Amino acid sequence: DGGITQSPKYLFRKEGQNVTLSCEQNLNHDAMYWYRQDPGQGLRLIYYSQIVNDFQKGDIAEGYSVSREKKESFPLTVTSAQKNPTAFYLCASSIDFSVGELFFGEGSRLTVL
Amino acid sequence: AQSVTQLDSQVPVFEEAPVELRCNYSSSVSVYLFWYVQYPNQGLQLLLKYLSGSTLVKGINGFEAEFNKSQTSFHLRKPSVHISDTAEYFCAVMNTGGFKTIFGAGTRLFVKA
Repeated sequence: DGGITQSPKYLFRKEGQNVTLSCEQNLNHDAMYWYRQDPGQGLRLIYYSQIVNDFQKGDIAEGYSVSREKKESFPLTVTSAQKNPTAFYLCASSIDFSVGELFFGEGSRLTVL
Repeated sequence: AQSVTQLDSQVPVFEEAPVELRCNYSSSVSVYLFWYVQYPNQGLQLLLKYLSGSTLVKGINGFEAEFNKSQTSFHLRKPSVHISDTAEYFCAVMNTGGFKTIFGAGTRLFVKA
């Protein structure tokens, strides 16, 4: 079945450590996105990518970095510069930018100890 | 700029009762509208979408929504809910010429036996 796979599902990190969240899709979608979800705040866009080797900052990119070396993969690194990294992170994809429907992975929950 | 307001943060309802989850949006341009559902510790799944045409949109699991352009609303309804409908529901908007999806803060639906 086609879909989006995020790993790990749960991750614990000590302050000062960088962590990388994996996102892989086999839907052959061009566009990929990372969202952060906090209780009562909906989803906020961190980074997005329309094509391979191109990505743009979203609304809350500070303290995060991404890469898009392959169409299928869009990993997110949460750096030590992110002041409040504990959150639920969701990766999504869409056929392209003009099609609004998003397909989501099951999320990664990051907890900073 | 666009915005989405979900008017209720929590909606408790008894099983087999009807339910309406309210969503208002603000935009200066034409939009696409979406409702997504999220079960605990999972990603979001599309319930239904309005792109154009009929203002009454039917989705999965017996849900429907009506686009009201004059009131800038896109309320979600179901005539008879089940325990399994307990989840968080997100209204989202994307302008027709863009790529960015804006999400509301979510409405948590509790279905009681």
